[in-house]
Amino acid sequence: GNSVTQMEGPVTLSEEAFLTINCTYTATGYPSLFWYVQYPGEGLQLLLKATKADDKGSNKGFEATYRKETTSFHLEKGSVQVSDSAVYFCALSARGAQKLVFGQGTRLTINP
Amino acid sequence: ETGVTQSPTHLIKTRGQQVTLRCSSQSGHNTVSWYQQALGQGPQFIFQYYREEENGRGNFPPRFSGLQFPNYSSELNVNALELDDSALYLCASSSDPLSTGTDTQYFGPGTRLTVL
Repeated sequence: GNSVTQMEGPVTLSEEAFLTINCTYTATGYPSLFWYVQYPGEGLQLLLKATKADDKGSNKGFEATYRKETTSFHLEKGSVQVSDSAVYFCALSARGAQKLVFGQGTRLTINP
Repeated sequence: ETGVTQSPTHLIKTRGQQVTLRCSSQSGHNTVSWYQQALGQGPQFIFQYYREEENGRGNFPPRFSGLQFPNYSSELNVNALELDDSALYLCASSSDPLSTGTDTQYFGPGTRLTVL
């Protein structure tokens, strides 16, 4: 079946550091890929998405590129801020399916 | 534009009781999906409703049931609560079923259910 694997957390960085959170997926066909962010005590917010191979999603300085050859969708940001501290979820939506399949989440903490 | 809203915010029940959670979809959306997020885990798909009909279900027992109303709001009902049902329940709305895989689901803030 379809699945998403994220790098294990927690991840702790200093402000202005470079961020990478790895995400790989297993799916039949060509799924859409998403990154959602969850701040403490809140629901999920869509951060970015990509719907086909080689698409790059971007938002708020975060980027991720849909790599079909490596089945990956790694999240990157060049300079993180304390306000980026949250839990990040990678997810896929397979064509013909109704559901989002999520990874286990990566907790990110940014220290000033 | 009004986003997805859920009620109540928090709920405490005892084992064996029944609970109803409510969700109002975002304006213009006709599809509602429900997810269960256990502590420290990613959300798990429970089921989806499209135009008042169930349109897909995850690996959850029949005591998890739902409804969608003509205004596209939705309810999640859980009977015979078990301790493991303690979780954050998230509702998400979208403009049509994910048949093309290109639509996006927008989430509400969730209902935190604690079963004692």
